[in-house]
Order: sequence, then C-alpha cells, then structure tokens
Amino acid sequence: DIQMTQSPSSLSASVGDRVSITCRASQTISRYLNWYQQKPGKAPKLLIYAASSLQSGVPSRFSGSGSGTDFTLTISSLQPEDFATYYCQQSFSAPRTFGHGTKVEIK
Amino acid sequence: EVQLVESGGGLVKPGGSLRVSCVASGFTFSYYNMNWVRQAPGKGLEWVSSISGSSNYIYYADSVKGRFTISRDNAQNSLYLQMNSLRGEDSAVYYCARDGDSKVIPEGTFDMWGQGTMVTVSS
Repeated sequence: DIQMTQSPSSLSASVGDRVSITCRASQTISRYLNWYQQKPGKAPKLLIYAASSLQSGVPSRFSGSGSGTDFTLTISSLQPEDFATYYCQQSFSAPRTFGHGTKVEIK
Repeated sequence: EVQLVESGGGLVKPGGSLRVSCVASGFTFSYYNMNWVRQAPGKGLEWVSSISGSSNYIYYADSVKGRFTISRDNAQNSLYLQMNSLRGEDSAVYYCARDGDSKVIPEGTFDMWGQGTMVTVSS
C-alpha cells in the first residue's frame, strides 16, 4: 500500500496568513493526489484534484502543486472559514490511502 | 439537489451484524463507481470498499475483507454495506462517497460525500 505522510500535523495561523501543508507519498504517484477539507462534525469536501485542479466552487485562494512524491496545498490568505482539518489522498492505486491530516487552528 | 444520504447506523455488539445504506439523488447513479469511507472517533479517514457502476468490480480494504460486503441497486439509486463479525475497531462514522467520473475528475477521487452514519460496536 502507498503511505501518505502529511506535515505538519497541526499549525496555528492568523487570518490573512499564507499557509502551506505538505504531503509525501511512499512511492511515485504522478499527479494522482487530492486534497480535502473537513470541519468538525461534517463530511470531507474535495478541494483540489489531480494535484493542482481546483474543484468547482472552491475559492481561488486554495492551490495545489507537486508531482511524483511531494505535494503542497497552499492557502494564500487564510480566512475564518478555513480553520479545519486538511487531508491528502492518493488516487494512483488501490487501496486509496489518506494522510493523517493537518489541523489548521486559529492563533 | 445532488446529494447522498446514509442511514442504518447504530449500536451493535461485538460479533454482530449491521447494514448501512446510502441513497443518491440528483445524478445518474449507475454511471458512477461508489465507495465507503470510514472515520473512527477523533481519527483520520480510511477507505473501506468500492464498487463499479455495474457491480462488476468490487474492492475491499484488508481490514474488512471477508467480513464486509458492498452492493448496490441502481434501480433504487442505493448503495449498501453489509457488515458482519463486527469488532470494536469498526466503530466509526461511515460515509458513502462518489468516485470521480474519470472524464474530468480521475477515478479514485471522492468528489461527493454523504453526511455519514455512526456505527458503534460495543457490549
């Protein structure tokens, strides 16, 4: 199985900050990397697919980059509604595996 | 409205069985592969099982293989997960999730999720 490692596991930031979360795959996955946002008590929501494609309706302050084994989710200017947990997930091969999540908290 | 609605969760004793369901609306259900993804309390996301649109291809996580059975009824726009020989570690919120259509969003990408149904395995 492909292991997905996210860092950091949590971070504190202020509204307006630029935030980056990284995800590393245990083997190359080309650009088959997705990012999800989850708020407490809610289902995950797809933000970014295929490493850098923005899902319909997602604000443009979210962006994704990377290929191979190393990927980054960036929020250009953190908004109050962005405080949540973010997960990466590989869709290169079965079983589909997720990172352990990064919790973005208010500083 | 395009949505997925799960039901059927509850409290079950270790070794027991439970079936959770997911009803889809607002899209052509039979066209899409579907998945179950679970999340134990305070933990991360774990893919559990997937089924192709025609039910020809079915996959399971090793942790549930031989105990869980995924199925679907396209006439009823419904997805099911039959869970047998349940263990404490199966306690989780179970989400149904739609797979990408492979034309725009790659397969294995979960582009729509239900609200989840809680399964608790405890004596």
